[in-house]
Amino acid sequence: AQSVAQPEDQVNVAEGNPLTVKCTYSVSGNPYLFWYVQYPNRGLQFLLKYITGDNLVKGSYGFEAEFNKSQTSFHLKKPSALVSDSALYFCAVRDGRDSSYKLIFGSGTRLLVRP
Amino acid sequence: GAGVSQSPSNKVTEKGKDVELRCDPISGHTALYWYRQRLGQGLEFLIYFQGNSAPDKSGLPSDRFSAERTGESVSTLTIQRTQQEDSAVYLCASSRATQETQYFGPGTRLLVL
Repeated sequence: AQSVAQPEDQVNVAEGNPLTVKCTYSVSGNPYLFWYVQYPNRGLQFLLKYITGDNLVKGSYGFEAEFNKSQTSFHLKKPSALVSDSALYFCAVRDGRDSSYKLIFGSGTRLLVRP
Repeated sequence: GAGVSQSPSNKVTEKGKDVELRCDPISGHTALYWYRQRLGQGLEFLIYFQGNSAPDKSGLPSDRFSAERTGESVSTLTIQRTQQEDSAVYLCASSRATQETQYFGPGTRLLVL
């Protein structure tokens, strides 16, 4: 069965410091991996995705994520955090087999960037 | 261009009443999805529409939940005889095709008293 784990409920970081939000996954076929961000009272906004190719994926707002097949991880990173990055972040996975379309989401990680 | 829109943004209802939630997908997107987000949790898949194919209803939690879609446009999610455990944010997403990136609407926050 497919699953996603975000082991940290909350991540705290000072503005200007690098940030990492962790995600590990389990899927039968090749994984399609996604990161979404949710600001208060708003829907999910797409940040980036990994389908195939380069393990380092660059996305919106300076975020990037690294796919690590051996560790089944897809951690979200940013070199220098901004206070405006404070939000709820969701990792999601889809099985890469042709017939698959369901996204399986992690429980979310709240990122708090302090000034 | 316009994103996915949902209405109402908030809905408060009494236990036992029926509610109808609406989703307008991005124009030209053939695939449409409904998810439920309970407080402090991730998203749960509810139902999927793709063109004229039969919808995948495997995520609907009970027969009180149903959804329809008119062609490749508007979708409505109906919850009959609402219960307090139905309180959640209901999110709609659409994608250009089945395996393309899903783009989400702002959600409808449902509170059942």
